[in-house]
Order: sequence, then structure tokens, then C-alpha cells
Amino acid sequence: EAGVVQSPRYKIIEKKQPVAFWCNPISGHNTLYWYRQNLGQGPELLIRYENEEAVDDSQLPKDRFSAERLKGVDSTLKIQPAELGDSAVYLCASSVKGVSYEQYFGPGTRLTVT
Amino acid sequence: AQSVTQLGSHVSVSEGALVLLRCNYSSSVPPYLFWYVQYPNQGLQLLLKYTTGATLVKGINGFEAEFKKSETSFHLTKPSAHMSDAAEYFCAVSPGPNDYKLSFGAGTTVTVRA
Repeated sequence: EAGVVQSPRYKIIEKKQPVAFWCNPISGHNTLYWYRQNLGQGPELLIRYENEEAVDDSQLPKDRFSAERLKGVDSTLKIQPAELGDSAVYLCASSVKGVSYEQYFGPGTRLTVT
Repeated sequence: AQSVTQLGSHVSVSEGALVLLRCNYSSSVPPYLFWYVQYPNQGLQLLLKYTTGATLVKGINGFEAEFKKSETSFHLTKPSAHMSDAAEYFCAVSPGPNDYKLSFGAGTTVTVRA
């Protein structure tokens, strides 16, 4: 069974530029999560999807961050414009409905904003 | 609200020695507890979990953890360290089966000396 796929793995951009991250969850997992992991810290939830609906985006900085999950499978997380403080690893995770506490993580995208 | 404290951001052990990583949690309800491992440039992989039942849980790669309610602890151990155990380890807590919100500790980096 293929795991959670994310791309790109690394991204370096200048501040004020836009950036997008892509995630393909494990087949059959209807719940998808985006986390941000700052250096030396554990992951923090940004947004959670149930199918195509964002059911918890309370921690997403909506002034510059947006996300979508069209058709309830793949998801894209966007930052526009990026700031220096956005440098972090962005992790995507997925889980099966009813077992939401058991999440499977992708390798992450390491973003560096210069 | 739930929170996790991992004691010690770095642990160094000799190959073959005991690995002990400490985790204390705070939860207003009976918690679900998890240990994840993150190898360099990879996503988080679930090592083991405690939900209900037996308080000593065994995971992958020879790791085990014991849930001690009276001490609000969930320490991770492995009797004999291997070079391949070098990684970062995260303890996480969830409020229970119907809540997806994982709260992670800051992580403990393990180095293994030959």
C-alpha cells in the first residue's frame, strides 16, 4: 500500500513570493490533515478535511494561507505571499473515517523563505 | 485541553544500552497516547499507541511504552539500542476515539554511539 505522497520535498523561495504544496493521501483515507512543523518542535495542525469539506481550519492563517481538496482526494496548500516566519516543514497526513486518532504522515515539504 | 511534555530534547546512548525517553501528558479526559519516530528528511511513523486495555504496549522495532495514569506518564523504552534507532521521537496525546486533534511534544533526538 502506497503511503502519503507529498511534493515538492524541498522548496526555497524569496519572501513575498507564492508557494504551493501538494498532497496525495493513502487510498481510501477520507480524512486529510495539513500540519506545520517548526524547527525543534512537534507538528501543529493547520487544517483538517473530511472528504472535500474543511471541517477545522481554525489554526490556518487565512490572510495568507489557503487550502483546497477538490474531489476529496488530493489537496493543495498555498501561501501567498510567503514571509520569513513561514520557513518550516509542512506535513500532510491522512486517516480512515472513525479512526481519526491514527494518522499516517507523508515525508513533508521543507520550505525555506529567504 | 491536552498537552505533552517530553523531558530532554537530546538523548545519547551507546549501542546495546537501554533507551529511555520520557513523556508526561496533561489531559482532562482519559487520553489516547502515541509515540512517533521521524528519521531525517522523512515523515512521522507511528511506533506504538495506547488506547484502552493493557497499559504496557509494544510497538515496532522493539520499542514499548507503559501508560501510568497515576504518574500521567507514557515513557518509551527499548532494551538494547541499535544504530538505526538514531532519529527524533515525538510523544502525542489525543482526547479519545472521537477527537482527531493530536497534541505533540517538542520531540527528543536520539543519537547512538558505536
